Amino acid sequence: RKEVEQDPGPFNVPEGATVAFNCTYSNSASQSFFWYRQDCRKEPKLLMSVYSSGNEDGRFTAQLNRASQYISLLIRDSKLSDSATYLCVVNGEDGTLTFGKGTMLLVSP
Amino acid sequence: GAVVSQHPSRVICKSGTSVKIECRSLDFQATTMFWYRQFPKQSLMLMATSNEGSKATYEQGVEKDKFLINHASLTLSTLTVTSAHPEDSSFYICSARDGSKLFFGSGTQLSVL
Repeated sequence: RKEVEQDPGPFNVPEGATVAFNCTYSNSASQSFFWYRQDCRKEPKLLMSVYSSGNEDGRFTAQLNRASQYISLLIRDSKLSDSATYLCVVNGEDGTLTFGKGTMLLVSP
Repeated sequence: GAVVSQHPSRVICKSGTSVKIECRSLDFQATTMFWYRQFPKQSLMLMATSNEGSKATYEQGVEKDKFLINHASLTLSTLTVTSAHPEDSSFYICSARDGSKLFFGSGTQLSVL
């Protein structure tokens, strides 16, 4: 089983739609979790950390389910500028960061 | 916020030449930097962990004699791709930690002809 798995997509949604991505991880001892956004041929940029209680930042909501070993990202009221690849990142107990392959989102007018 | 500067952003070179990529932490000291490689539509793959003042730690399958890493100061790590070949063409990204946060350089697109 891969350490961090994501549906590669692409997810094609119209502007204004709500879209959700999931990411599963295999190491139950993983310490912390993040969502990064990566535009084509650009460096990943931190979108948000994922906290156990769930957290929200504007139109973005992240949740963690330790029992089922997955994290999720919900984007409400999608904008054209949200089109990107969203990377799930898991921080292991040894401090090693493991990246998922990313989920591509395409928001159309 | 913390900034990591990476140069060059793009390199096109002939097969057999060596290419050096620099990664600098601009407003913080980074005892550890990370080098990743990303092929098209693939995830970031950690190549090596660069440690200031000591040898880099390479991930399994990464040739340390081909990918030379030097971390001579707290703000600079370099990756040299020696005798580059077309299969080394990829997007190389460095990163450094400032506290609990990880910051990335802007990446280097290497194309070997």
